[in-house]
Amino acid sequence: DTAVSQTPKYLVTQMGNDKSIKCEQNLGHDTMYWYKQDSKKFLKIMFSYNNKELIINETVPNRFSPKSPDKAHLNLHINSLELGDSAVYFCASSQVFGNREQYFGPGTRLTVT
Amino acid sequence: DQQVKQNSPSLSVQEGRISILNCDYTNSMFDYFLWYKKYPAEGPTFLISISSIKDKNEDGRFTVFLNKSAKHLSLHIVPSQPGDSAVYFCAASNNAGNMLTFGGGTRLMVKP
Repeated sequence: DTAVSQTPKYLVTQMGNDKSIKCEQNLGHDTMYWYKQDSKKFLKIMFSYNNKELIINETVPNRFSPKSPDKAHLNLHINSLELGDSAVYFCASSQVFGNREQYFGPGTRLTVT
Repeated sequence: DQQVKQNSPSLSVQEGRISILNCDYTNSMFDYFLWYKKYPAEGPTFLISISSIKDKNEDGRFTVFLNKSAKHLSLHIVPSQPGDSAVYFCAASNNAGNMLTFGGGTRLMVKP
């Protein structure tokens, strides 16, 4: 069974569209994260949720809105997509907040044309 | 400003030899360091970690060394195997533990 899963794996869309990426973890973890890996391959934290509450919100445009319907899910909705949003987005989870060993999903490659 | 740097984008090693991957950091508040391994089209997977109260941690073929005064850590893989070929990311966190700062990765290629 996949521990952290993301859908879709690939997403190609046009500028201005709104899209969502879904993430689910079946590890029973309390904390979930979204990371962005840009063209230079750096992984940067975007958001962190602990027990459905937003804990970390790095400098991310407000076009990005995370939603956590329950502890096992953290979805990422992006409005008015821009070319610069093209990247690989990784969801991750950790057992508790502050646990630094994080489990990552396979990533969603977003291409904005 | 990159607080965690991996200055070698790639490294090629012969099977059976030692692989040494390096990582430098600038933030003296970091107190916990991790290495993640990433295969293509997969997410990073946790490999090994070290707390700042230690200078060495070993797990099988993998050893991480920490030099706090130099703000430098390294990952040693002995002996290297072709299956070790992947991108290795160094990551660091502060004592709040709620955020990982990643380096840019080093692509390791182990040749048979």
